[in-house]
Amino acid sequence: DQQVKQNSPSLSVQEGRISILNCDYTNSMFDYFLWYKKYPAEGPTFLISISSIKDKNEDGRFTVFLNKSAKHLSLHIVPSQPGDSAVYFCAASAYGQNFVFGPGTRLSVLP
Amino acid sequence: NAGVMQNPRHLVRRRGQEARLRCSPMKGHSHVYWYRQLPEEGLKFMVYLQKENIIDESGMPKERFSAEFPKEGPSILRIQQVVRGDSAAYFCASSPATGIDQPQHFGDGTRLSIL
Repeated sequence: DQQVKQNSPSLSVQEGRISILNCDYTNSMFDYFLWYKKYPAEGPTFLISISSIKDKNEDGRFTVFLNKSAKHLSLHIVPSQPGDSAVYFCAASAYGQNFVFGPGTRLSVLP
Repeated sequence: NAGVMQNPRHLVRRRGQEARLRCSPMKGHSHVYWYRQLPEEGLKFMVYLQKENIIDESGMPKERFSAEFPKEGPSILRIQQVVRGDSAAYFCASSPATGIDQPQHFGDGTRLSIL
């Protein structure tokens, strides 16, 4: 019973173009959403978050969009760089409790 | 990932032995979380602790696994009588408090291999 889904296991994008990573959730009680990036042999690194009172949050090249009615969020990376190649995890929590992580999407940015 | 320290980075155990994984949270953080990642899978929540208290252990296997976060010293995840299926990467995360806008910060993990 996956509460947080990332239906694309992998994504390849040309350097300089936009990367769009998608995440869907089923629990309507989730009120805080985050994206983490993970390189091999390292722990996840926090990228950006959004609370359910917003529909967009931007930080440099990274923008997260939240569509509560569709229970969907996405991470946009513009422009994509080769160093962005990593596994990206979507995570969600309700009332500040423990996070539920998606299975991850492996992003490859091609030079 | 600077700040949350996990050791050892790699741990090899034979079936039936005990594994102890340590986690020192970031300075000023009093909340610790343990996650397990199996190959090609996402992170699965195991347990959430505050100093001297287990807050949520809903993700912990009922047997052989235990966790503590004493008043002094690191948090410990203990696995008794390890089996092959315990082979995984175990990640610890910490946060200063729960609530909105409090991301968890992760260590680099302990990779446990069971022979």
